Amino acid sequence: KNQVEQSPQSLIILEGKNCTLQCNYTVSPFSNLRWYKQDTGRGPVSLTIMTFSENTKSNGRYTATLDADTKQSSLHITASQLSDSASYICVVSDTWTSDMRFGAGTRLTVKP
Amino acid sequence: EAQVTQNPRYLITVTGKKLTVTCSQNMNHEYMSWYRQDPGLGLRQIYYSMNVEVTDKGDVPEGYKVSRKEKRNFPLILESPSPNQTSLYFCASSLFASGGGGETQYFGPGTRLLVL
Repeated sequence: KNQVEQSPQSLIILEGKNCTLQCNYTVSPFSNLRWYKQDTGRGPVSLTIMTFSENTKSNGRYTATLDADTKQSSLHITASQLSDSASYICVVSDTWTSDMRFGAGTRLTVKP
Repeated sequence: EAQVTQNPRYLITVTGKKLTVTCSQNMNHEYMSWYRQDPGLGLRQIYYSMNVEVTDKGDVPEGYKVSRKEKRNFPLILESPSPNQTSLYFCASSLFASGGGGETQYFGPGTRLLVL
């Protein structure tokens, strides 16, 4: 079964620091990869969407990278803010079925 | 404002008592879906709908029903809820079928359900 694995499960950083979240997947054939931010008690909100031909995409302080050969993606957060505290979810789509496979998420806590 | 709304946001019920969670979107989206989210697991799709009167099972459809009589509404029905359906439920919509097209999927605020 196609899988999306995220690491770490949780992460604590100090305000102002950078961090990188990882996503490895086995979904094939690959269509696109999305990163979502989910605040506690709220629905996920889309940050980036990348197709297999894109290596990087930015959204403000969030930069996602994709290596379709190694089936890895990362989400880099620059100059973290307290409001970045949330779960970050990686979602990978299959070309043939359009099924979306969700990772379990990384819980990020930014402390002052 | 473009949005997906769900009601109720919180619900406590007892085993076997039928309930309906409503979902509505105001973006004229064709594709709508329901997910459940449990601790330590990714969102899992329950049912989805490609358009009016077109629905299909997702990964975990057992114990749930849906209907899509109007484009904007996609209610989730639990005919006989059981404690293992205690979860956080999200409705989502996108212009067309999510996944292959790369369309942005918009999520509702979630419904937290407790079945005693």
